[in-house]
Amino acid sequence: KQEVTQIPAALSVPEGENLVLNCSFTDSAIYNLQWFRQDPGKGLTSLLLIQSSQREQTSGRLNASLDKSSGRSTLYIAASQPGDSATYLCAVGQAGTALIFGKGTTLSVSS
Amino acid sequence: EAGVAQSPRYKIIEKRQSVAFWCNPISGHATLYWYQQILGQGPKLLIQFQNNGVVDDSQLPKDRFSAERLKGVDSTLKIQPAKLEDSAVYLCASSLEGLGGNTIYFGEGSWLTVV
Repeated sequence: KQEVTQIPAALSVPEGENLVLNCSFTDSAIYNLQWFRQDPGKGLTSLLLIQSSQREQTSGRLNASLDKSSGRSTLYIAASQPGDSATYLCAVGQAGTALIFGKGTTLSVSS
Repeated sequence: EAGVAQSPRYKIIEKRQSVAFWCNPISGHATLYWYQQILGQGPKLLIQFQNNGVVDDSQLPKDRFSAERLKGVDSTLKIQPAKLEDSAVYLCASSLEGLGGNTIYFGEGSWLTVV
């Protein structure tokens, strides 16, 4: 059974820092991996989608990497801003199943 | 392009009462999902529809939860009777198809509190 773990559960950083969020999964037979952002009281917004054949995806200040063989993904946020404060969720897709989510990392960026 | 619409946004009910949530996916999206997200947890799939057929409902507590997507467009999730542990956000999502290459889009959720 696939399990997705995110570390740390919470993170506080000053504005301007570069930071890394970690995601690990137990079954490497994945179809893809997605990173989502969730603001308080809101739904989920897809940030980056990495197919199993890809190693990374970039969007603006965000870069996500995928190492399928080791069961790991990282989300790198460059030059963090207070507006980046949110919960970041990692989810894996496998053939024939819907996305399986981790519990998320809650990020707080102070000005 | 309109996003995934859900209603009501917030609902407070007493235990043993019933509640229904409605979802209208993005136009043209064949796959619709209902997820349950308990505070501090990641979303957990309750049910997945492909058009109007059920693909996966293995984690749906069928003694109290039901869902339908009669015309392959909008969907309703019902809970009857509700328990305290059903307090959660119910997220509806849709994608073009239920394949791994498609981005999944979430609605803003329906927040349920059972007292």
